[in-house]
Amino acid sequence: GEDVEQSLFLSVREGDSSVINCTYTDSSSTYLYWYKQEPGAGLQLLTYIFSNMDMKQDQRLTVLLNKKDKHLSLRIADTQTGDSAIYFCAESKSSGNTGKLIFGQGTTLQVKP
Amino acid sequence: DAGVTQSPTHLIKTRGQQVTLRCSPKSGHDTVSWYQQALGQGPQFIFQYYEEEERQRGNFPDRFSGHQFPNYSSELNVNALLLGDSALYLCASSFVSYEQYFGPGTRLTVT
Repeated sequence: GEDVEQSLFLSVREGDSSVINCTYTDSSSTYLYWYKQEPGAGLQLLTYIFSNMDMKQDQRLTVLLNKKDKHLSLRIADTQTGDSAIYFCAESKSSGNTGKLIFGQGTTLQVKP
Repeated sequence: DAGVTQSPTHLIKTRGQQVTLRCSPKSGHDTVSWYQQALGQGPQFIFQYYEEEERQRGNFPDRFSGHQFPNYSSELNVNALLLGDSALYLCASSFVSYEQYFGPGTRLTVT
């Protein structure tokens, strides 16, 4: 089936690292994504990882994928107050699918100065 | 390069009315997907348009329909509005299916 789950809330201090976790159920998922949503705004694509990768790093962002446990995480290094937002994990399939995204319910990241 | 644009930004309608939301994809993109995001929830896939046809549909009733024009822009139509249709409606465009870029959304309030 299709289901993506995330913890609802995370609070960190400015300068610390943040780790946002996500689990998914569909083992045929091909791409896994992290999107950021600021209040009253649309979704910003942060990064994505193909399912044959274990890790992807992009500046302050590190994505780790554990296919065996169907677990995805997003690490934000040196978290800033501007990183405060809702972060959505999403999964998708490629072949035989049109790129329909299945989202989790979002994790609210609060960064305290 | 303009990103994905949507209009209007906000809309207030009454139960039973009909509404049309519009989306212009990012330059170079040919596929448009629509999502509904209820307050406090993640976006839910409504449908996707490619080459002016609905390519895939999520679990939404027939009251939700759409259209894609030759210039790749798209419309989402919702008939017989219900209170539960109040949400942020997001449009996403893509050229290859695995990178979808979202617009700012249209906030629909049904009273």
